[in-house]
Amino acid sequence: GQQVMQIPQYQHVQEGEDFTTYCNSSTTLSNIQWYKQRPGGHPVFLIQLVKSGEVKKQKRLTFQFGEAKKNSSLHITATQTTDVGTYFCAVTGNQFYFGTGTSLTVIP
Amino acid sequence: DAGVIQSPRHEVTEMGQEVTLRCKPISGHNSLFWYRQTMMRGLELLIYFNNNVPIDDSGMPEDRFSAKMPNASFSTLKIQPSEPRDSAVYFCASSGQHNQPQHFGDGTRLSIL
Repeated sequence: GQQVMQIPQYQHVQEGEDFTTYCNSSTTLSNIQWYKQRPGGHPVFLIQLVKSGEVKKQKRLTFQFGEAKKNSSLHITATQTTDVGTYFCAVTGNQFYFGTGTSLTVIP
Repeated sequence: DAGVIQSPRHEVTEMGQEVTLRCKPISGHNSLFWYRQTMMRGLELLIYFNNNVPIDDSGMPEDRFSAKMPNASFSTLKIQPSEPRDSAVYFCASSGQHNQPQHFGDGTRLSIL
């Protein structure tokens, strides 16, 4: 079945450093969503990407959808302690898959 | 506006007992999803409903698990009999349509002793 792999699994950064997580699929995706889950919390929707090569920004967060629609990335500029959590990509369509997630730790 | 409401928040029970988890989706949402989250397996989709009809239950682990959605405002996930390996956080989520952003409840933290 379709699988969505995320890398890295864990990332520790100093506050102020940048952070990127990547989501890769073996098949072409119709769209992709990104979620954030704080420790002890539930996943919260961040954004949805639909178009090939699409780039969207939310303040310090930049989301990209690959030209071939098989990969996506989330980049955080100048991380803050409030960015701590696990970031998931999710594939929607006829079936639903959440990526394995990237756990981000920000060291003050 | 009320979000997705799940109950109970925590459940601790002995193996062999029946466990029922409940979910009230956001009013007007047509799709409802049940997920299980563990450290080992991550976030797994168990089943999803569209307009109260189960569409994909391929993620349901085995016959001990069953889910129902008798109406648009209520769904249950039942485990009978429960086993220690069922211990996890179970999330319910709803969305307007199946491809739209999902809104998650706070989850039920289930411990089977």
